[in-house]
Amino acid sequence: GENVEQHPSTLSVQEGDSAVIKCTYSDSASNYFPWYKQELGKRPQLIIDIRSNVGEKKDQRIAVTLNKTAKHFSLHITETQPEDSAVYFCAASRGSGNTGKLIFGQGTTLQVKP
Amino acid sequence: EPEVTQTPSHQVTQMGQEVILRCVPISNHLYFYWYRQILGQKVEFLVSFYNNEISEKSEIFDDQFSVERPDGSNFTLKIRSTKLEDSAMYFCASSVYRGNTEAFFGQGTRLTVV
Repeated sequence: GENVEQHPSTLSVQEGDSAVIKCTYSDSASNYFPWYKQELGKRPQLIIDIRSNVGEKKDQRIAVTLNKTAKHFSLHITETQPEDSAVYFCAASRGSGNTGKLIFGQGTTLQVKP
Repeated sequence: EPEVTQTPSHQVTQMGQEVILRCVPISNHLYFYWYRQILGQKVEFLVSFYNNEISEKSEIFDDQFSVERPDGSNFTLKIRSTKLEDSAMYFCASSVYRGNTEAFFGQGTRLTVV
């Protein structure tokens, strides 16, 4: 069945350090991989996404890498700041024929210590 | 910036009662979704909806659940006879296209069944 595994479940880093969150997916037909950030009491918000035709995408301090062969994708946050503290969710979705369903990972609680 | 809006933010209901969770998707979006998140667990897909019909539903979305777009703006999730295990945060989401595109989430409705 469709499944996304996300690790670690919690991550604590010092301000300025990098943070890496990893996800693996089971459905080989997946070709869209968004990352959502959810601050306490707020809605999940898309921070970056990647489609299967590229291996890496960057947006300022965040980047996502995708290894389709290994069915693995990762979120990299550099120069972390206290405001990066939140829960991060990875997700996977099929493309063609997809109804838009997202399969989410379990979430990673990132704490950035000042 | 347009947002998905959900009401109420918190609903407490007696077991066996019917509840209706309401969502107003972003106005030019065509695809609508409900997800739920039981406390401490991952976000789970419930149902996708397009062109006034269900596109896909998960195993969770049994006969106790129904969705409706009663007018041009609202999208509702009804739970006919609530159970304790229905207690969760319910998120509505919408997107312009299906698949490979950002899904915008509402802030959620916390449903507590007592």
